[in-house]
Amino acid sequence: NAGVTQTPKFQVLKTGQSMTLQCAQDMNHNSMYWYRQDPGMGLRLIYYSASEGTTDKGEVPNGYNVSRLNKREFSLRLESAAPSQTSVYFCASSVDLRYEQYFGPGTRLTVT
Amino acid sequence: DAKTTQPTSMDCAEGRAANLPCNHSTISGNEYVYWYRQIHSQGPQYIIHGLKNNETNEMASLIITEDRKSSTLILPHATLRDTAVYYCIVSALGRGKLIFGQGTELSVKP
Repeated sequence: NAGVTQTPKFQVLKTGQSMTLQCAQDMNHNSMYWYRQDPGMGLRLIYYSASEGTTDKGEVPNGYNVSRLNKREFSLRLESAAPSQTSVYFCASSVDLRYEQYFGPGTRLTVT
Repeated sequence: DAKTTQPTSMDCAEGRAANLPCNHSTISGNEYVYWYRQIHSQGPQYIIHGLKNNETNEMASLIITEDRKSSTLILPHATLRDTAVYYCIVSALGRGKLIFGQGTELSVKP
């Protein structure tokens, strides 16, 4: 039981490049989330998916798109990366919106 | 969501109880108090949550004041592995949106 897995672990992009961060969970959870964490700060919610087939914006959605591919997978896409998107990205999942969230190990992204 | 106020940092001796306070004076009647922690560079880990009654699980105890304007997370016998940033979060059940503040950096010292 791997829990929440994220790929890649590290990534360096040039300004303007695009990439997709992958997240998968094997706990049969309905809800999934994407957060970012800047140095010395708490996490901020980017997007979340209450259930398969739905997505909603969080606090800081600008510059990102998401896809809930199926119940297990929730991806985050940066269409045109900017240095301001340098951050650590965490994916999380929960049984549904009422329950505690389980977090993945994070993806460390640097945009130069 | 109600805002929370936590001390920036705290120290605790190994083996002693760690008591982490949190103020949430604007909490609404339907909002729960959640505690998560983040051990260096890892993803946050859920600890405990409660509405108005005190709660206990295998990790910690949560004491919520009667007026619900503040709470305390208690780690009964802190170990070096409990060194982490602890986040107190207030959110309505089912809202799903956790708003993380700066948290309290707890250092457990030998």
